[in-house]
Amino acid sequence: TQLLEQSPQFLSIQEGENLTVYCNSSSVFSSLQWYRQEPGEGPVLLVTVVTGGEVKKLKRLTFQFGDARKDSSLHITAAQPGDTGLYLCAGASGSYDKVIFGPGTSLSVIP
Amino acid sequence: DAGVTQSPTHLIKTRGQHVTLRCSPISGHKSVSWYQQVLGQGPQFIFQYYEKEERGRGNFPDRFSARQFPNYSSELNVNALLLGDSALYLCASSLWAQNTEAFFGQGTRLTVV
Repeated sequence: TQLLEQSPQFLSIQEGENLTVYCNSSSVFSSLQWYRQEPGEGPVLLVTVVTGGEVKKLKRLTFQFGDARKDSSLHITAAQPGDTGLYLCAGASGSYDKVIFGPGTSLSVIP
Repeated sequence: DAGVTQSPTHLIKTRGQHVTLRCSPISGHKSVSWYQQVLGQGPQFIFQYYEKEERGRGNFPDRFSARQFPNYSSELNVNALLLGDSALYLCASSLWAQNTEAFFGQGTRLTVV
């Protein structure tokens, strides 16, 4: 059974601070996605990483896929209140395989 | 271009009743997946449909069923509702069956009382 773990579960920081959240698994994934979800809304896709060691940047967000394609991290620089939300990682292991979601990291950025 | 649309947005049902949730994917997307998200948890995969055929099924009882129509829209049906079925039900569409990049609707909030 494939499982994705995310840490920390909850994170509350001041505006302007940096943070990193992690997504880990014992399984290898062909691709991994990061989503952000706000209360009462569906998740919104932020990025997809597919190559081991890949690093992608989206403004103040930096995503990294582990060399072995089993883990990933999301680093936010100078967090802003608008970054508040539930950050979900999701992985797929191959063609026609269901996408597995982690439990999420709930981020709160205090002004 | 419209995104993924789900209806209804909110629903209250009584234990034992039946419910049908609907989803229209992004135009051109042929794959629809359904997820259940309980408060405080990540989405749990229920079904994936591609070209009107079931391509994947999660660990949910037979009370849960779904289908995809020729226009690629989809319905999720849940029979004999239990209190534990209360959740946000999310529909996601993607171009292909390998739904590695999914676009989600806003969800249907189902409350079973």
